[in-house]
Amino acid sequence: AQSVAQPEDQVNVAEGNPLTVKCTYSVSGNPYLFWYVQYPNRGLQFLLKYITGDNLVKGSYGFEAEFNKSQTSFHLKKPSALVSDSALYFCAVSLAGGATNKLIFGTGTLLAVQP
Amino acid sequence: DTEVTQTPKHLVMGMTNKKSLKCEQHMGHRAMYWYKQKAKKPPELMFVYSYEKLSINESVPSRFSPECPNSSLLNLHLHALQPEDSALYLCASSAGTSGDPILRDTQYFGPGTRLTVL
Repeated sequence: AQSVAQPEDQVNVAEGNPLTVKCTYSVSGNPYLFWYVQYPNRGLQFLLKYITGDNLVKGSYGFEAEFNKSQTSFHLKKPSALVSDSALYFCAVSLAGGATNKLIFGTGTLLAVQP
Repeated sequence: DTEVTQTPKHLVMGMTNKKSLKCEQHMGHRAMYWYKQKAKKPPELMFVYSYEKLSINESVPSRFSPECPNSSLLNLHLHALQPEDSALYLCASSAGTSGDPILRDTQYFGPGTRLTVL
């Protein structure tokens, strides 16, 4: 069965420090991997996606993620955190192909950036 | 433009009411989705429409009735809901099999409708 794990319910980081939000996955076949961010009382915003190729994916707002096939991980990173990055982050996976792709979400990680 | 719009933003309804949620996208996407999200939890898939046909129903109770009148519109009709149905209802769309393969499987979400059932 496909699954996504986000082992940390919350990550705290000081403004200006680097941040990492962890994600591991378990799927059969070739996954598409996504990161979404959700600000309070808002919908999910697409940050970045890995489908194939370069293991380092760059996305919106200075975020990037590193795909590691051997560790089945897709951690989200940013070199210098901003207070405005504080939000709920979801990792998700879908299987390639088809007109519709069911997204399997992780449980979410709340990122709190202190000034 | 990657915008999905949803109306209304907030909805309060009684258990005997009938109401509808509306979702619209003008990105030419051919797949549209309804999700239910409880506070601080991941979205739960409810329905998927592909090329205006219902392709996935995740065993959702019949008090939720989806409708896709055309490729740009998606409705969710609500009737006889329960208080536990109170949640944020999110609509999303994706390109389907058309368009840039880099983007086609990305789902773009609307801002949601906050539903409260009294």
